[in-house]
Amino acid sequence: DTGVSQDPRHKITKRGQNVTFRCDPISEHNRLYWYRQTLGQGPEFLTYFQNEAQLEKSRLLSDRFSAERPKGSFSTLEIQRTEQGDSAMYLCASSLQELFFGEGSRLTVL
Amino acid sequence: GQNIDQPTEMTATEGAIVQINCTYQTSGFNGLFWYQQHAGEAPTFLSYNVLDGLEEKGRFSSFLSRSKGYSYLLLKELQMKDSASYLCAVRAPNDYKLSFGAGTTVTVRA
Repeated sequence: DTGVSQDPRHKITKRGQNVTFRCDPISEHNRLYWYRQTLGQGPEFLTYFQNEAQLEKSRLLSDRFSAERPKGSFSTLEIQRTEQGDSAMYLCASSLQELFFGEGSRLTVL
Repeated sequence: GQNIDQPTEMTATEGAIVQINCTYQTSGFNGLFWYQQHAGEAPTFLSYNVLDGLEEKGRFSSFLSRSKGYSYLLLKELQMKDSASYLCAVRAPNDYKLSFGAGTTVTVRA
């Protein structure tokens, strides 16, 4: 399968714990995005990479959130000291033109 | 910033036609995208308009009027599998990220 893949697909954690999500984009795509989506809403932009450079971060991305794309290929999104309000679907996408989304990582914070 | 509006819900009968409207107010414009999202799945790309007019792709068509800040997605010959959320998204100039509306949930009834 050559689509965007995300891992894990589901994560249940207790408040205060750290979680990390991984995204493997389509190999020839140099742009990679992280979005967050809650029920009944559209995806909200979090951050965006072109190759290994993080070019933009949303104000939604508090200092508890950090994203990396160290070699310009896969990316990780870490959330430290999780809060219940972090519960959402975290979507990764990559692009040349239109965005291709992965299946998402669903986070539940208890 | 981006302000993107679309109806929350629409219901239609199998075999009928449904038109989903999207209006946007943005600080700039470099393309409008429509995505389909089935419950619990990732958004998938449907169409892209950057110039005024109609783009047709099989049963789906998308229209854009830049002067009016308006687009619609037309779904013809509705099938049960078309029941999904339809997301309107706008891209700003010099910017590769998309800003999404909240989505329109379309329910197709037999």
